[in-house]
Amino acid sequence: DIQMTQSPSSVSASVGDSVTITCRTTHNVNGYLNWYLQKPGKAPKLLIYAASILQSGVPSRFSGSGSGTHFTLTISSLRPEDFATYYCQQTYSSPRTFGPGTTIDIK
Amino acid sequence: EVQLVQSGAEVKKPGESLTISCKTAGYDFYIYWVGWVRQLPGRGPEWMGVIYPRDSDTIYNPSFQGQVTISFDRSTGTAYLQWSSLRASDSAMYYCARQLNGYNYVPYFDSWGQGTLVTVSS
Repeated sequence: DIQMTQSPSSVSASVGDSVTITCRTTHNVNGYLNWYLQKPGKAPKLLIYAASILQSGVPSRFSGSGSGTHFTLTISSLRPEDFATYYCQQTYSSPRTFGPGTTIDIK
Repeated sequence: EVQLVQSGAEVKKPGESLTISCKTAGYDFYIYWVGWVRQLPGRGPEWMGVIYPRDSDTIYNPSFQGQVTISFDRSTGTAYLQWSSLRASDSAMYYCARQLNGYNYVPYFDSWGQGTLVTVSS
C-alpha cells in the first residue's frame, strides 16, 4: 500500500492568514492526488483533484501543486469557514489511501 | 442535482448482521463507480472499496476484503454495504461517494452521502 503523511498535523491560524499543508506519499503517485476538507459531523468535500485542478464551485483561494511524492495545498487568505480538517488522498493505486489529516483551528 | 442519501444510524450487537444503503439520484448511476469509506472517531477516512453499477465489478481494499460485501441494485440505483457478523471494531461512520474520473483519468470522490453511524456494542 502507498502510505501517506501530512504536515503539520495541526496549525493555528487567523482569518486572512495564508496556510500551506504538505502531503507526502511513499511512492510516486503520478499526480493522482486529491484534497478534501471535512468539518465536524459532515462528509468530506472535494477541493482539488489531480494535484492542482480546482473542483467546480471551490473558491480560488485554494490551490494545489506538486508531483511525484510531494504535494501541497495552500489557502491564500483564510476565511472563517476554512477552519476544518484537510485530507489528501492518492488514487494512483489500490487501496486508495487517505492521509491522516491536518486540522486548521483558530488562533 | 447529484444526491447520495444514506440509511439511518444503526445500533447492533457483536455477531449480528447489518446492511446499510446509499440511494443515488440525479445522475446516470450506470456509468459512475460508487465507493464506501470508513471513518473511525477522530481518524482519517479509509477507502473500503468501489463498485461499478453497470456490471457490478468490485474492487476491495484488502484490509476489508472478506469482512464486508459491497453490492448495487440497478433496479433502484442503490448501493449497499453489508456485514455478516459485526464486531465492536466495526463501530464507525460510513460514507458512500460517487467516483468521477477527471483530468488524466484521475479518480476522485466528487459527491458524498451524509454518512451512516454504526455502533456495535454488547
